Amino acid sequence: GAVVSQHPSRVICKSGTSVKIECRSLDFQATTMFWYRQFPKQSLMLMATSNEGSKATYEQGVEKDKFLINHASLTLSTLTVTSAHPEDSSFYICSAGREGQYGYTFGSGTRLTVV
Amino acid sequence: AQKVTQAQTEISVVEKEDVTLDCVYETRDTTYYLFWYKQPPSGELVFLIRRNSFDEQNEISGRYSWNFQKSTSSFNFTITASQVVDSAVYFCALSEEAVGNQFYFGTGTSLTVIP
Repeated sequence: GAVVSQHPSRVICKSGTSVKIECRSLDFQATTMFWYRQFPKQSLMLMATSNEGSKATYEQGVEKDKFLINHASLTLSTLTVTSAHPEDSSFYICSAGREGQYGYTFGSGTRLTVV
Repeated sequence: AQKVTQAQTEISVVEKEDVTLDCVYETRDTTYYLFWYKQPPSGELVFLIRRNSFDEQNEISGRYSWNFQKSTSSFNFTITASQVVDSAVYFCALSEEAVGNQFYFGTGTSLTVIP
């Protein structure tokens, strides 16, 4: 149980275009989802926290207009990187969990390359 | 301030050697959770263990063992008889009850096991 699917696993896009990354909880309802970013050889940094049906909470320094997060249902959260630039190239990974449950499950990550 | 510190950036060992990865954490919560994740080159996070703050019992799982010591705020991870497949980046993480289960990751330790 507690499987999180993240799609796509890899994406290459042109500078200026937008990319959508999906995070789905397959066998449970996720009241909260987290989005992390990881630059090469660095740790995972939290970008934002999203709760189903409400606006996401962004960490300091993360542009909410650039990284659009939608958590429209208890099983799906999406991260859209708008007007992507090469500096947005990174590994993005989501995690999902139920209220009161610790040990969040992580998706397999999305490697974004902006050319 | 860094909540999770992994002082060892890179470690290399020869196959069959034992290796210990250090993790020191900082929190004011009395209830918290500690985790270890393995990140192979493919990028996904592989869950290894979760330990809550009230359970200081050490744990062994095959070649893996964990030593949790609240007195020193440490949660160290030992791999016995290392194998080449153990080569990966290992992350220690902390989840505090008071902040909605957000994960704080250490900077990771890159382990290379030389055949």
